[in-house]
Amino acid sequence: DSGVTQTPKHLITATGQRVTLRCSPRSGDLSVYWYQQSLDQGLQFLIQYYNGEERAKGNILERFSAQQFPDLHSELNLSSLELGDSALYFCASSVGLPLDTQYFGPGTRLTVL
Amino acid sequence: GQQVMQIPQYQHVQEGEDFTTYCNSSTTLSNIQWYKQRPGGHPVFLIQLVKSGEVKKQKRLTFQFGEAKKNSSLHITATQTTDVGTYFCAGGVNDMRFGAGTRLTVKP
Repeated sequence: DSGVTQTPKHLITATGQRVTLRCSPRSGDLSVYWYQQSLDQGLQFLIQYYNGEERAKGNILERFSAQQFPDLHSELNLSSLELGDSALYFCASSVGLPLDTQYFGPGTRLTVL
Repeated sequence: GQQVMQIPQYQHVQEGEDFTTYCNSSTTLSNIQWYKQRPGGHPVFLIQLVKSGEVKKQKRLTFQFGEAKKNSSLHITATQTTDVGTYFCAGGVNDMRFGAGTRLTVKP
């Protein structure tokens, strides 16, 4: 158990819908990362937050947005969902120092029908 | 932008054979990390290398960081079925970026 929690574990929805994925980082960690992993694919970096502020942005679609709240939990919002958005979404957290170890949550499996 | 390339994408070995995965960057990296993701699981941190030419061992796993800090390798000696999974390298200058991973399968 990494100490990072993600909810929900599974999510099934329809095209065009909007969903919110939630992540709680390890106690003491200030940084949260979001990744997308499609079937048998690598980890696609989406976005990173540090202490409530956006720190780095990867290949995140405009339909996707995220935020980190004062209690440091983070939410990833996915809207106008398409079939291709079906994937595992991982959240990871770290202390927040550059290049430090990331601890991954169990992931949310999103299925768009 | 900064990219970390990893090869091979897949590797299938017989139990007892050795396995190596390679990670390459076009830019000098500040450090390199290796993660393992078991089937159905999430990536788990294995090790971090920081120094040029650094070599670290964890039982049957040997990790190397190149002299120019642009490449790294993970070598597993005498693979076991418990080694199955996807091995990711991650490296960066200011931010960590993950390679595409090498998926290892081991035939008993």
